[in-house]
Amino acid sequence: GEDVEQSLFLSVREGDSSVINCTYTDSSSTYLYWYKQEPGAGLQLLTYIFSNMDMKQDQRLTVLLNKKDKHLSLRIADTQTGDSAIYFCAESIRSDYKLSFGAGTTVTVRA
Amino acid sequence: DVKVTQSSRYLVKRTGEKVFLECVQDMDHENMFWYRQDPGLGLRLIYFSYDVKMKEKGDIPEGYSVSREKKERFSLILESASTNQTSMYLCASSGGGTLYGYTFGSGTRLTVV
Repeated sequence: GEDVEQSLFLSVREGDSSVINCTYTDSSSTYLYWYKQEPGAGLQLLTYIFSNMDMKQDQRLTVLLNKKDKHLSLRIADTQTGDSAIYFCAESIRSDYKLSFGAGTTVTVRA
Repeated sequence: DVKVTQSSRYLVKRTGEKVFLECVQDMDHENMFWYRQDPGLGLRLIYFSYDVKMKEKGDIPEGYSVSREKKERFSLILESASTNQTSMYLCASSGGGTLYGYTFGSGTRLTVV
């Protein structure tokens, strides 16, 4: 996804917080998403945020949206080994059924 | 439990073969998508379909075609497989609008030798 950018790798110690960042380009995006892909599996929707919100919290997950800077972040509190995965940021683009994905951030949780 | 099912997890095909990747969803979704996933490149859209018998090209359609004869089934066809089509292929579906994003299948890892 050339319109959505993420860093490729993140290493975090078990129990610490992880923060994954994403920038997007389409200011008309209605929704922004975080997907998780575990090894050998497809993508699972983790959470999403509507573009008129600036924060959404769901248990250990916090999504922050800075619409002015077109910056989205996902914070995972108390990171566990089961959080090791690839995390994809995605934005809805002009049509109402297409998403544009970032390249994915590989999160490695170390003991 | 709603599902998107891809017929094969792993496939090995020879260069020049015609390859069919099948995807079936049980959610009565209008929209279906085929992506390929390559390290460092993320997900790239090959084709999508928003209705039976309708199809639109995505970002990288060259070397691929699709078929959607029934609402629940979306097939990706590699007319003459080449080694640069070795990749993970992901199928996804969505209902009208993008509120809940996509539901993905588990993927098919295709190796062309």
